[in-house]
Parts: sequence; C-alpha cells; structure tokens
Amino acid sequence: SQELEQSPQSLIVQEGKNLTINCTSSKTLYGLYWYKQKYGEGLIFLMMLQKGGEEKSHEKITAKLDEKKQQSSLHITASQPSHAGIYLCGADLRRTSGSRLTFGEGTQLTVNP
Amino acid sequence: NAGVTQTPKFQVLKTGQSMTLQCAQDMNHEYMSWYRQDPGMGLRLIHYSVGAGITDQGEVPNGYNVSRSTTEDFPLRLLSAAPSQTSVYFCASRGPLIQYFGPGTRLLVL
Repeated sequence: SQELEQSPQSLIVQEGKNLTINCTSSKTLYGLYWYKQKYGEGLIFLMMLQKGGEEKSHEKITAKLDEKKQQSSLHITASQPSHAGIYLCGADLRRTSGSRLTFGEGTQLTVNP
Repeated sequence: NAGVTQTPKFQVLKTGQSMTLQCAQDMNHEYMSWYRQDPGMGLRLIHYSVGAGITDQGEVPNGYNVSRSTTEDFPLRLLSAAPSQTSVYFCASRGPLIQYFGPGTRLLVL
C-alpha cells in the first residue's frame, strides 16, 4: 500500500549485526503493529504502538513510534538466524479502523550464520 | 483456544470454478477480515465484517463475496476463479487491541 511504506524491501545481515526496519505512513497513525512471517506461514504478532514516543521491547527486538514523523522503526540487536523472515508493519489509518488494518509491503530479512 | 483457523491449506482451481475458503475463530471477536498477500504488494484487504450480519468491501473486493451469519465464521467465496486470484489468503480476527491471523490458504488458479 502506498499509504504505508516500508524500507528496506530486503535486508541481508551477518549474524550478530544490528539492523533497523522503517515503516512510514502518509496519513495519521492511530495505531502501529509489527508482525513477523516465516515463509509459508501466518503472521505472528510482535508489538503494538499507540502513543507518540512509545517504545516497546521483546527480547532483542525494539519498536519505536515517532508520531510527528508518522513513522515507526523496528530494531533488532545482535541478530540471529531465528530472526530471519518477513517483517510487516500494519497501521490503523482511521480513528475507528475496526478490522481494517493497512499493511506495508514487508521487509525480507536474511541472517547469515 | 484454537485461535483463527482456515481451511483448506492449499487449493488448485481451474479458471471459472467457484470455491469457498473457510475461516473460523473461537475468541468471540466481532471484527473479522480477509486479506490477500501477493509478492511485492504486502497484504491487501478484500472484505471485512464488524459483526454478525454486517460486511463491507475492502481495497480489492472484486470477484469475492462474503457473509457473516455467526460471530465465529467468516467464509470467503470466489464466484468464478481467475488466474489473477492466485494468491495466499489470510483471515484475521481482531480483539480489543491485537489482530490475529490464521495460517493462510494458498490458492493456485490455472
């Protein structure tokens, strides 16, 4: 969706390296969600951000929301092969989105041992 | 809780055939939706529902029908399959905060 842009589209890193994936919206963000998808499988919920400046962490993954820039970043510290997959950001772009999340195109992450 | 379940996991259709993709959730969520995932295009919303008896179109509704007779079930019908409908289809169910996804149905239309 052009309403939600993810960068980069793909990323190849060496195990142990840090990396950042960005998600930028052309509209006001009312909620931002990060999901991870392994090839051929469904989407696994990682984190949700709702307030500007909010930052959440789970294990080695940290997500931040910059409300002014309408942008979220997902940072992985000391990457491992288990982090490989497709990372998708989804957003509530309406005050009452209900089930209508808008998604970015995804970032394909490869972690080489 | 089984969460969100989808059947079948994989299906091959010939152009012009019809079929129904099944989706069920056991979390008593009001909001449910169908997405399709294509390479380089992320997830696109096909149809969604805000409760039993209420459905609406998403971003790419053409060629698909839905109905929501119960809170639990939200089937997606392909009326006359076309090769452009080859994709991976995900059903989702949304709780107070989080949207949960099913495992997906891979559809190939020849």
